Amino acid sequence: EIVLTQSPATLSLSPGERATLSCRASQNVFNYLAWYQQIPGQAPRLLIYDASNRATGIPARFSGSGSGTDFTLTISSLEPEDFAVYYCQQRSTWPPLTFGGGTKVEIK
Amino acid sequence: QVQLVEAGGGLVKPGGSLRLSCAASGFTFKDYYMSWIRQAPGKGLEWVSFISHRSSTIYYADSVKGRFTISRDNAKNSVYLQMNSLRADDTAVYYCAKEMRGGSYDLGSFDSWGQGTLVTVSS
Repeated sequence: EIVLTQSPATLSLSPGERATLSCRASQNVFNYLAWYQQIPGQAPRLLIYDASNRATGIPARFSGSGSGTDFTLTISSLEPEDFAVYYCQQRSTWPPLTFGGGTKVEIK
Repeated sequence: QVQLVEAGGGLVKPGGSLRLSCAASGFTFKDYYMSWIRQAPGKGLEWVSFISHRSSTIYYADSVKGRFTISRDNAKNSVYLQMNSLRADDTAVYYCAKEMRGGSYDLGSFDSWGQGTLVTVSS
């Protein structure tokens, strides 16, 4: 099973700041990595698929990068609605599909 | 627009059973593989099960294998999760999720999720 480790667990930032979230895989997942956003009380929403492709309707301030074992989700300038929990997920080797433990982006 | 609506959650005693359903609309259901994903209270996401468009390929997480059964009815645009021998650690919100791509390639990314249904296993 591929383990995904996200860091930091919590990121405290102000609106307008840049957010950089990390996801590290226990083995090579090539570019088969997705990022999801979850606002409390809501279902997850796909932001990025295959490491760097924005899903339909996702604003350009969200970008993904990386390949192999190290990945980054960047939010260029935080909007109030971006304060949420973010999960990475790999689809390189499954079953099982696996998710990271999440990074909470909170208002500083 | 794509809509996924789960139902069937509730309170059940350890060892009991529940059947979850997920009604899909807004896309050609029979062309898409589907998964169930759960989230324990205050915890992260855990993939549970997967079913191919014609039900020929089915996968389960080890944590539910032998206890849960996934199925679908393409005529009713629905996917189901039969949960038996429920345990306290099955307590979670259960989401059904649609593959981003139709067909049998490039699986494992989910572009639509339902609102979830809460399953609580407690005596």
